[in-house]
Amino acid sequence: NAGVTQTPKFRVLKTGQSMTLLCAQDMNHEYMYWYRQDPGMGLRLIHYSVGEGTTAKGEVPDGYNVSRLKKQNFLLGLESAAPSQTSVYFCASGRDNNNQPQHFGDGTRLSIL
Amino acid sequence: DQQVKQNSPSLSVQEGRISILNCDYTNSMFDYFLWYKKYPAEGPTFLISISSIKDKNEDGRFTVFLNKSAKHLSLHIVPSQPGDSAVYFCAARAPGTSYDKVIFGPGTSLSVIP
Repeated sequence: NAGVTQTPKFRVLKTGQSMTLLCAQDMNHEYMYWYRQDPGMGLRLIHYSVGEGTTAKGEVPDGYNVSRLKKQNFLLGLESAAPSQTSVYFCASGRDNNNQPQHFGDGTRLSIL
Repeated sequence: DQQVKQNSPSLSVQEGRISILNCDYTNSMFDYFLWYKKYPAEGPTFLISISSIKDKNEDGRFTVFLNKSAKHLSLHIVPSQPGDSAVYFCAARAPGTSYDKVIFGPGTSLSVIP
């Protein structure tokens, strides 16, 4: 019973490098989300998707791009990593947006040097 | 400006006693509230929720109370167990035109001492 799977779990990048974080869910959920968690700030929404082929900006989208080519996958890209993007990134999925809780992956810890 | 606040970063409680985690919010448009629990190196997991039209919701050892006039909710855990030691996030949903935004608080770290 995988649920939401994030890869990689850890990554260290140099400033200016690019990378893609992968998120896969096996629950056939329509909604998918990318959050970042920073100390004292809770979870902040970066981008979200309400279905295959759709994406939208969340609270803190700058410096990130996303794609949802397949319903089960939601990719988060950093085009040119900056130290301010050092964080723990969580992907989540949900069946809908009406009173249904989100299911989270175990996170990706990303450090930008 | 945080719309969902959890003013206690940490809380310690003896096993068997009651744990009370508090959450305050500023947006009167929030219509649904959730609590998530998070263990280290894992993602948050849903714990309990409450609609804004209710003032209490109970699920086993967990009860959430909502005071709309005070814009305050609390999570009660009775009795507390060592396995309850985790970070607890309060979250609130704001209805939108195309998407209902969920805002998370910063979390409270609960330690239940055996």
